Amino acid sequence: QKEVEQNSGPLSVPEGAIASLNCTYSDRGSQSFFWYRQYSGKSPELIMSIYSNGDKEDGRFTAQLNKASQYVSLLIRDSQPSDSATYLCAVNHGDSNYQLIWGAGTKLIIKP
Amino acid sequence: DAGVIQSPRHEVTEMGQEVTLRCKPISGHNSLFWYRQTMMRGLELLIYFNNNVPIDDSGMPEDRFSAKMPNASFSTLKIQPSEPRDSAVYFCASSYWDGYTFGSGTRLTVV
Repeated sequence: QKEVEQNSGPLSVPEGAIASLNCTYSDRGSQSFFWYRQYSGKSPELIMSIYSNGDKEDGRFTAQLNKASQYVSLLIRDSQPSDSATYLCAVNHGDSNYQLIWGAGTKLIIKP
Repeated sequence: DAGVIQSPRHEVTEMGQEVTLRCKPISGHNSLFWYRQTMMRGLELLIYFNNNVPIDDSGMPEDRFSAKMPNASFSTLKIQPSEPRDSAVYFCASSYWDGYTFGSGTRLTVV
């Protein structure tokens, strides 16, 4: 069974601090990695994708990938209350570019 | 682009009734997915289509569920007969290569 594991949280972070969200995956054949943000009552929204080992930065967001350790993370700098949401990690099924394996999500709370 | 469009946004129905959920994917996307989300089970893939052809329907719970994609711009998910345990948010998503765009979802309540 191919899996994606996330800490369900909630993860509470003070406003302005760095929020660190982690994800591990079991399928060594996976090549595409995604972070989605889901506000309560809304649909998941793609915020970051990463395909190569290392860091990828986009504004306040940085995705980090380590394929050897089968680990992907998302850092949110200067956290804002509007970042409070559930963050879903998704990894492509190694045999397919289309199918994603989803983590259960980490609930992030940014405290003013 | 208007994004992935789902209808209805909310559906309340009585047990035993037929329910049809609709989805219009983003133009040019060749993959379409139907997901179900509940607090207990998270996001569950029900079925996915590639170029209008069902590729994997192993997530469809049982014969009460069926999905069609008659053309590149329209898909339906039908539940007949509906049961209270089908209550969930149903999402449609589309993709061109990888990474999905989700619709707003249909919140289904079966009473």
